[in-house]
Amino acid sequence: DARVTQTPRHKVTEMGQEVTMRCQPILGHNTVFWYRQTMMQGLELLAYFRNRAPLDDSGMPKDRFSAEMPDATLATLKIQPSEPRDSAVYFCASGLQVFGGYTFGSGTRLTVV
Amino acid sequence: AQTVTQSQPEMSVQEAETVTLSCTYDTSESDYYLFWYKQPPSRQMILVIRQEAYKQQNATENRFSVNFQKAAKSFSLKISDSQLGDAAMYFCAYRRPPRGADGLTFGKGTHLIIQP
Repeated sequence: DARVTQTPRHKVTEMGQEVTMRCQPILGHNTVFWYRQTMMQGLELLAYFRNRAPLDDSGMPKDRFSAEMPDATLATLKIQPSEPRDSAVYFCASGLQVFGGYTFGSGTRLTVV
Repeated sequence: AQTVTQSQPEMSVQEAETVTLSCTYDTSESDYYLFWYKQPPSRQMILVIRQEAYKQQNATENRFSVNFQKAAKSFSLKISDSQLGDAAMYFCAYRRPPRGADGLTFGKGTHLIIQP
């Protein structure tokens, strides 16, 4: 089965450090999302891309977060500098614009101490 | 803005019994998609079932079926013959038509416990 691959699976970092999370979407999918999951807020949409162009990043704190898609096989989410409140599970998902469902990766569990 | 509400934080059911998880949503759109995702302790988000709003027929996938009431903006998930492997968080999600910003909006989830 085709899958969305996220790395790393777990990341522990100190406050103030830069964190980069990577996602390899399913080949052929033209839409890529980044979601954040916390106990308090649930699943929040941070950003997404269609045909590699950013479509919506209104849910993302602009001062420290950035999302890019340098090519069709790689999407990145960066946090600089990281803060303890950024501790969460970050999911990448991909899909087709005209097809209903999206496939999620296994997520990156980020802990900022 | 669209909202999705799951009013049952936790549900418990005996193995082999049937359970229904509730979901309501708010939208001004007439065409959209609805989904149920399952998240087991492994944290993988797994698509369980989807429903296109223009289809009147309720979607089914093996033991999983939905009751889609468009006028009432209700989208419940029925799990028949529940199994221990069904234990997980279940999230209801809404997606507007793909004419622009069409990310998924999720409910807060229902934790489903299966009693052996």
